[in-house]
Amino acid sequence: EPEVTQTPSHQVTQMGQEVILRCVPISNHLYFYWYRQILGQKVEFLVSFYNNEISEKSEIFDDQFSVERPDGSNFTLKIRSTKLEDSAMYFCASGLYRGNEQFFGPGTRLTVL
Amino acid sequence: SQQGEEDPQALSIQEGENATMNCSYKTSINNLQWYRQNSGRGLVHLILIRSNEREKHSGRLRVTLDTSKKSSSLLITASRAADTASYFCATDAFENAGNMLTFGGGTRLMVKP
Repeated sequence: EPEVTQTPSHQVTQMGQEVILRCVPISNHLYFYWYRQILGQKVEFLVSFYNNEISEKSEIFDDQFSVERPDGSNFTLKIRSTKLEDSAMYFCASGLYRGNEQFFGPGTRLTVL
Repeated sequence: SQQGEEDPQALSIQEGENATMNCSYKTSINNLQWYRQNSGRGLVHLILIRSNEREKHSGRLRVTLDTSKKSSSLLITASRAADTASYFCATDAFENAGNMLTFGGGTRLMVKP
């Protein structure tokens, strides 16, 4: 069964460094999302992406964040200058149609030291 | 309470019993989705119910939706130890352009063998 994959599974970085989190959505899906979950807290929406542009973004998704679909398969989240409070599990999700199921990847645990 | 709040926060039952989790939300929705998360792992999609649906079944899962009360319930019948996990509801609000999902805090279910 097709699934969303994410790499790396765990990323440790120093504060102020740039990180790129990678996702391969399910191949025929058209809608892509990033969410994050700080330890012990709710899953929070970051951004949705369709037709090579951002559809919606949350207040968390400030100028330090960017997303890109550099080719036909990858979907990336870049954090330009990481802060301690960016430490969280980051989930990528994809969906076939607007308003359909969103399927999540296994997540990347980001630890900012 | 915020959009997508589950109740109870924690539930402990014996194997073979049924587990019922409830979710309340505030705004009009396109759909409501239920997810399972094993400790520290990814989110597994369980079921989606649309705003014009009242009940859906999938295997041992039964989901109901009452839009007049802005609430949903997830029933797991004949529970197994492997059902031990956190369960989240997530709402796709009608007003959102990008299909962002708003997650609740989850119900931690423990099924004792």
